[in-house]
Amino acid sequence: AQSVTQLDSQVPVFEEAPVELRCNYSSSVSVYLFWYVQYPNQGLQLLLKYLSGSTLVKGINGFEAEFNKSQTSFHLRKPSVHISDTAEYFCAVSDPRGGSQGNLIFGKGTKLSVKP
Amino acid sequence: ETGVTQTPRHLVMGMTNKKSLKCEQHLGHNAMYWYKQSAKKPLELMFVYNFKEQTENNSVPSRFSPECPNSSHLFLHLHTLQPEDSALYLCASSQDGSSYNEQFFGPGTRLTVL
Repeated sequence: AQSVTQLDSQVPVFEEAPVELRCNYSSSVSVYLFWYVQYPNQGLQLLLKYLSGSTLVKGINGFEAEFNKSQTSFHLRKPSVHISDTAEYFCAVSDPRGGSQGNLIFGKGTKLSVKP
Repeated sequence: ETGVTQTPRHLVMGMTNKKSLKCEQHLGHNAMYWYKQSAKKPLELMFVYNFKEQTENNSVPSRFSPECPNSSHLFLHLHTLQPEDSALYLCASSQDGSSYNEQFFGPGTRLTVL
């Protein structure tokens, strides 16, 4: 079974500073990896996903993530954050074999707070 | 309406009430999901429907009963809930149940059980 660990429950950062949100996963098989964002009073929205190929994945709103198989990590980065990036960010994995194993497994989330 | 909509957005109910949550997707998708989001816990998958067939029941208590009359609509019927069932209930849809597909989420129903 897969699991996802987001080590930081809260990350405060100043506007225009860089940010990295950490995600590690545990799995005995290859996985698909996702980052979702949840703005206040909204549902989740996909930022980016890694299925295969290039380990550096670019997503919406200037975010990118890098898949590191040896470290079983998929950290999310943005070089310069805006106030509007204040939200909760969720890392998730799924099993390419599909079926019940193919359902998304989420981390507990990281609340990013961008201060002026 | 576009995307995934959920009604009501807020619901307060007593433990003996019966209520239903509604989800509708306007994306032409064939898979729909119910998730429970509680504070300080990961999102918990409750039910999955793929082409109107229930393909996942993640050990959810029987006081939660899903219904999927067609690919566009999903309901969650609630009966004799407990205070610990208070949470944000999120509905999502995807093209089909494949594990690589993006899921599109509704805004959720904030449920409070008194």
